[in-house]
Amino acid sequence: DGGITQSPKYLFRKEGQNVTLSCEQNLNHDAMYWYRQDPGQGLRLIYYSQIVNDFQKGDIAEGYSVSREKKESFPLTVTSAQKNPTAFYLCASTGGTEAFFGQGTRLTVV
Amino acid sequence: AQSVTQLDSHVSVSEGTPVLLRCNYSSSYSPSLFWYVQHPNKGLQLLLKYTSAATLVKGINGFEAEFKKSETSFHLTKPSAHMSDAAEYFCVVSDHTGRRALTFGSGTRLQVQP
Repeated sequence: DGGITQSPKYLFRKEGQNVTLSCEQNLNHDAMYWYRQDPGQGLRLIYYSQIVNDFQKGDIAEGYSVSREKKESFPLTVTSAQKNPTAFYLCASTGGTEAFFGQGTRLTVV
Repeated sequence: AQSVTQLDSHVSVSEGTPVLLRCNYSSSYSPSLFWYVQHPNKGLQLLLKYTSAATLVKGINGFEAEFKKSETSFHLTKPSAHMSDAAEYFCVVSDHTGRRALTFGSGTRLQVQP
């Protein structure tokens, strides 16, 4: 089955630590996106990539980094510069107008 | 620029009664509009989409929405609510440029009372 896989489902980060969230898709989509979800705020765009080896900042990119070395993969690193990383993170991909979403990663700072 | 406003952050209905979730949008282009549903700690599932074909769009699970350009609205309705409909619903607009993909509303939490 085609789809998007995010891992892990739950992730815990210590203060000052970098962590990487995985996002893999087998839909052959060119465009991939990372969103952050906080209660009552909908989804906010962190980074997006429309093609391999290229990516752009979204609305809340500070404290995050990404790479797009392969079409299928778009990992997100939450760096120690992100002061409030506790949130639900969703990865998406599009091949046209509709977006397909992964099941999300819940990141908690401990 | 594009934006989406979901007019109600929380809607509560009784099982078997109609559902109305309201959405207004703003877009510089002819937009595509979507409704997604999210159950707790899950990803988003597409309910329905409008892409400049019929203005009344039918989706999954008995939901439908009507695109009204004059009112810049895309309200989601269902004739009879089911307990399993309790979830968060997002209205979304796409401007087709691909640069920013989708712009999300802040969400409406639907509660269904027995």
